[in-house]
Amino acid sequence: QSALTQPASVSGSPGQSITISCTGTSSDIGGYNYVSWYQHHPGKAPRLIIYDVTNRPSGISDRFSGSKSGATASLAISGLQAGDEADYFCSSYSFYNSLYVFGTGTKVTVL
Amino acid sequence: EVQLLESGGILVQPGGSLRLSCAASGFTFSNYLMTWVRQPPGKGLEWVSSISGSGGATSYADSVKGRFSMSRHNSQNTVFLQMNSLRAEDTAVYYCAKNPGDYEAYYFDYWGPGTLVTVSS
Repeated sequence: QSALTQPASVSGSPGQSITISCTGTSSDIGGYNYVSWYQHHPGKAPRLIIYDVTNRPSGISDRFSGSKSGATASLAISGLQAGDEADYFCSSYSFYNSLYVFGTGTKVTVL
Repeated sequence: EVQLLESGGILVQPGGSLRLSCAASGFTFSNYLMTWVRQPPGKGLEWVSSISGSGGATSYADSVKGRFSMSRHNSQNTVFLQMNSLRAEDTAVYYCAKNPGDYEAYYFDYWGPGTLVTVSS
């Protein structure tokens, strides 16, 4: 299956807000509200930060928010902190042969 | 606290076999669907396989169907991934992930740190 498209890198200064996009098709993001986002510090376990497009799990800061428009989902991080520096990837249900399709990943750098 | 810890990743020759394990703790294991996801070096993530809480139902990505088999021992809080006829393209970090229930919710609420499988001669 084709991966969801994310920008390779996004950067921002502490306190600023950034947005990461995740673009798919009508067979995944555009057709279903099953988009999730994960934060991944290399060498550690990925952490769920958004599920079902907009929902935050318990314990996740409200600085993280998710949205979707058509076949593009977005993750916004406000009040950027040093600890937010990590890789972020999106995921969606996919109608085709695989249940899940993942994004290409975005490295967030805090300047 | 939910914890998942994968083990078993090593260097193996093409055509060889390997069994990965994932030890779980911190939740009622048999009540949850479990999944394996992999990430080849420098590439994106790929869903590999999922298994129901009872172990009675499994699903596989086309790329591994017929070669990989997922199972679980609920008494030991462990899931396994038996990997046969390994190919170079199976080289990846393999992650164990927990689903939020015994159903496909299309996201994973907990992951392990992963174990590296390298297929090379």
